[in-house]
Amino acid sequence: AQSVTQLGSHVSVSEGALVLLRCNYSSSVPPYLFWYVQYPNQGLQLLLKYTTGATLVKGINGFEAEFKKSETSFHLTKPSAHMSDAAEYFCAVSEPGGSYIPTFGRGTSLIVHP
Amino acid sequence: EAGVTQFPSHSVIEKGQTVTLRCDPISGHDNLYWYRRVMGKEIKFLLHFVKESKQDESGMPNNRFLAERTGGTYSTLKVQPAELEDSGVYFCASSPSQARRIGAFFGQGTRLTVV
Repeated sequence: AQSVTQLGSHVSVSEGALVLLRCNYSSSVPPYLFWYVQYPNQGLQLLLKYTTGATLVKGINGFEAEFKKSETSFHLTKPSAHMSDAAEYFCAVSEPGGSYIPTFGRGTSLIVHP
Repeated sequence: EAGVTQFPSHSVIEKGQTVTLRCDPISGHDNLYWYRRVMGKEIKFLLHFVKESKQDESGMPNNRFLAERTGGTYSTLKVQPAELEDSGVYFCASSPSQARRIGAFFGQGTRLTVV
């Protein structure tokens, strides 16, 4: 069975500071990993994904994440936060070869202070 | 290309009433998923359609929830009768069978409030 743990329901950073949102997963097979973002009053938008190949993946709006198999992690980072990054971020895992149904974490709200 | 669309965006109903949520997936996507997020908790899987067939409905909470996907196109999720604990945001997502590694595309969600 697959599962996702997102550490911290809220993360607060200053504008211009590093953003780090943590995600650890559990999967019985090499997983597919996703980060989704939900801006206020909008739906879930795919930010980036890891399927195979390069373990450092880049997404939209300057975000990137690194798949670390040994740590079962897929943390999301951005070098410099913008006010517009304030949103809720969800990490998700799916198992290729199985149902592919994504399993989500609880989400992390990113708060950006001026 | 139109994305996944959900109707209505918000619904407020009284306990005991019936509500039907609708999802129009991206054209050509065989896979359609329903998820629900209760406030502050994770986004939980409800069920998965492949075309018009229910592939997995293990996440459906109880028999008050009924999902259909007529003709393999749009899907409806009916809650009858609604209870207070059914409140939350219901998300629909779709993905193509040929390229499921690209991830699922989500709609904006329907915020359901049962009072």
